[in-house]
Amino acid sequence: NAGVMQNPRHLVRRRGQEARLRCSPMKGHSHVYWYRQLPEEGLKFMVYLQKENIIDESGMPKERFSAEFPKEGPSILRIQQVVRGDSAAYFCASSPGTGGDEQYFGPGTRLTVT
Amino acid sequence: GQNIDQPTEMTATEGAIVQINCTYQTSGFNGLFWYQQHAGEAPTFLSYNVLDGLEEKGRFSSFLSRSKGYSYLLLKELQMKDSASYLCAVSLLDDKIIFGKGTRLHILP
Repeated sequence: NAGVMQNPRHLVRRRGQEARLRCSPMKGHSHVYWYRQLPEEGLKFMVYLQKENIIDESGMPKERFSAEFPKEGPSILRIQQVVRGDSAAYFCASSPGTGGDEQYFGPGTRLTVT
Repeated sequence: GQNIDQPTEMTATEGAIVQINCTYQTSGFNGLFWYQQHAGEAPTFLSYNVLDGLEEKGRFSSFLSRSKGYSYLLLKELQMKDSASYLCAVSLLDDKIIFGKGTRLHILP
């Protein structure tokens, strides 16, 4: 049973470019969460999605950031016109349901903006 | 607002016992998670407490007091591989999970 998969593992972008981060949840999991982690910081919630629905995006900046979880295919976190402050590790987690189900984390994508 | 507090860093000796505390003030509460995260890696699940009391799982135990907004993670017979960050996280009523900043645990030989 494959775990949560994220790609790419490392992504380098120049300021102003777009970054696309992909997350494939564990088989059977329909809930996906995205988190951002800055060096020496904890995980900051960004967005919570179920298939084809954004449930809670309160942690995601209103500008330049968007997320989707289509019926088919991985969840995508998209950052447009990246800036240096977007450099961070972005983790995706999935869970089978709600109400405190354990979240299984992917290996993360480390985004570096030059 | 949501607030989770845990010490930034702790140091302990191999073979000893260490207790990592976590206090929280949140609007709504389902339960409390502890995750372990080694540098540069993804967090891995350690425990989830919903009810008050102590839950033991091998060398690791986790305690919760809902009335006090308090939890701790107890690690016994420390090994060098236990050097990592330990993240306290609260599951809210809307299924969101809020993480503390983590406690970096250093194990000395």
